[in-house]
Amino acid sequence: NAGVTQTPKFQVLKTGQSMTLQCAQDMNHNSMYWYRQDPGMGLRLIYYSASEGTTDKGEVPNGYNVSRLNKREFSLRLESAAPSQTSVYFCASSVQDAEPFNQPQHFGDGTRLSIL
Amino acid sequence: GQQLNQSPQSMFIQEGEDVSMNCTSSSIFNTWLWYKQDPGEGPVLLIALYKAGELTSNGRLTAQFGITRKDSFLNISASIPSDVGIYFCAGPILNAGGTSYGKLTFGQGTILTVHP
Repeated sequence: NAGVTQTPKFQVLKTGQSMTLQCAQDMNHNSMYWYRQDPGMGLRLIYYSASEGTTDKGEVPNGYNVSRLNKREFSLRLESAAPSQTSVYFCASSVQDAEPFNQPQHFGDGTRLSIL
Repeated sequence: GQQLNQSPQSMFIQEGEDVSMNCTSSSIFNTWLWYKQDPGEGPVLLIALYKAGELTSNGRLTAQFGITRKDSFLNISASIPSDVGIYFCAGPILNAGGTSYGKLTFGQGTILTVHP
């Protein structure tokens, strides 16, 4: 059982290049999320998808777009990469899309992205 | 937005020692979560707290939901080398209507180092 799978694991881009980070979960979860992790700042929510067919902005959405391709897959796109987007990106999923909040989020192992 | 502040930022302890860390917020939370992140991996849920005053254990870990609903505490007893990692507190990000759809805000993390 793979859980949440992210690809690629590492990537180096030049400023201005575009890239799509892929995420897939095999747990039949309704909700999926993208976070970025920067030193000393914890994880910050970029975008989320409460259920298939819906997406919405999180805390730090600028410079990113997302697509919920189907129930399993949720991709994150950088249209024109900037050095400030150098970070570790985590995808997560959870079984529910509504209250009460009592189900954990399951995280992938991250994509380490460097933008030069 | 909602912000969680964790302390201490880092801890260096000897194997066998007990560990205490806490998380505070200027806002009230109805759920507190504690995650651990091992090096090179995504966060994994350790303990979830849903009620003010609640005290919950998971093996050597004990977490408490503060009475004011603005803080939470995590204790690790008799630390071992595999306790090394980053510990995050997290709570739900609420929409205007009071729902979260599973969205989380994270503290900046406490980095734990255990010397054998």
